[in-house]
Amino acid sequence: SQELEQSPQSLIVQEGKNLTINCTSSKTLYGLYWYKQKYGEGLIFLMMLQKGGEEKSHEKITAKLDEKKQQSSLHITASQPSHAGIYLCGARDSGYALNFGKGTSLLVTP
Amino acid sequence: DGGITQSPKYLFRKEGQNVTLSCEQNLNHDAMYWYRQDPGQGLRLIYYSQIVNDFQKGDIAEGYSVSREKKESFPLTVTSAQKNPTAFYLCASSYWPDPPNTGELFFGEGSRLTVL
Repeated sequence: SQELEQSPQSLIVQEGKNLTINCTSSKTLYGLYWYKQKYGEGLIFLMMLQKGGEEKSHEKITAKLDEKKQQSSLHITASQPSHAGIYLCGARDSGYALNFGKGTSLLVTP
Repeated sequence: DGGITQSPKYLFRKEGQNVTLSCEQNLNHDAMYWYRQDPGQGLRLIYYSQIVNDFQKGDIAEGYSVSREKKESFPLTVTSAQKNPTAFYLCASSYWPDPPNTGELFFGEGSRLTVL
């Protein structure tokens, strides 16, 4: 079955700094979803990538899927306290449900 | 406004009691899902349903039961057979991932169950 490995597990950055979160799949990805979760709340959909080399941006968050479609990165530019939370990548294996990585916990300090 | 509503947000139960978590959606989605989230474990799939009156077990279905009598509703029962039920439970729904739909899951706010 498909496994999604996220790195790093946790991240503490100073406000204004850039950061990158990675998601690596054990199988070819046919759709990679990025979500953000505030502690104790539900997941908020950020963006979905499908094609090799595809890149999407939303405000200061950019996600990219590599050409081989086995790795995705999420990049935050000029981080703000509002970016703090848990970032999770998800992908479909053989069924309709999404498998998720274990998440990357981000803390942004003043 | 369309969305997914989970209730209750917090629930305390004694060991050995069955509890039912509610999940309702008004997004007209066909598929619904239940996940469990534990610290450091990410999300693990309990059950999912693609259509009314049909559902499939996920990776950790033991000790849980579901029903899908209506398109809008997908309640989860945590039975006394579940050995470690204290967790954060998330319900989600989606369209089929067929173009032009991208098939992203929409999540509720979650229900935190604590078994004393």
